[in-house]
Amino acid sequence: NAGVTQTPKFQVLKTGQSMTLQCAQDMNHNSMYWYRQDPGMGLRLIYYSASEGTTDKGEVPNGYNVSRLNKREFSLRLESAAPSQTSVYFCASRTGDSNEKLFFGSGTQLSVL
Amino acid sequence: TQLLEQSPQFLSIQEGENLTVYCNSSSVFSSLQWYRQEPGEGPVLLVTVVTGGEVKKLKRLTFQFGDARKDSSLHITAAQPGDTGLYLCAGAADYKLSFGAGTTVTVRA
Repeated sequence: NAGVTQTPKFQVLKTGQSMTLQCAQDMNHNSMYWYRQDPGMGLRLIYYSASEGTTDKGEVPNGYNVSRLNKREFSLRLESAAPSQTSVYFCASRTGDSNEKLFFGSGTQLSVL
Repeated sequence: TQLLEQSPQFLSIQEGENLTVYCNSSSVFSSLQWYRQEPGEGPVLLVTVVTGGEVKKLKRLTFQFGDARKDSSLHITAAQPGDTGLYLCAGAADYKLSFGAGTTVTVRA
């Protein structure tokens, strides 16, 4: 089983460039999430989608937009990348019950120069 | 500031020793989860604790949820090099899961 698939695995951008991180899950999960992970900061929630058709801001949404394209796919867009957005980005999903575990993708390492 | 504070941030011990990682918050959670993360991979769930005062054992790992459901601990008995990794606690509220900054555990052979 593929689980949660993220693309690309690595990306280097110049300041001001835009890009979209793709995420797809094949587990029929209702809820999907985007986190960023920085040293000493743990995982911080950027945006989440509790169900198809809804999206909500997390702790650190500034500079990002998301699209829940369908039940399977949840993309994260950086419109004008900044060096502060250099990070490792993780997509995750779960059925929707708040006590259920998150299934994570393997991450996208993004560097903004 | 982190909603969940983990301590210590780093822990380096010899194989066979015991260790405890703490996760504290001023917030009450419906459940608390512990994940382990290897380099280059996403976190993987170890356990979920739901009831205040709950204790769960997973082989050499013991997890405890505080009575007030605000804090938790992870204890590893007789640590092995395979226990090396980043341990993350996460508190559940509504649809969101908030993570601590993590504890990097290194077990030396």
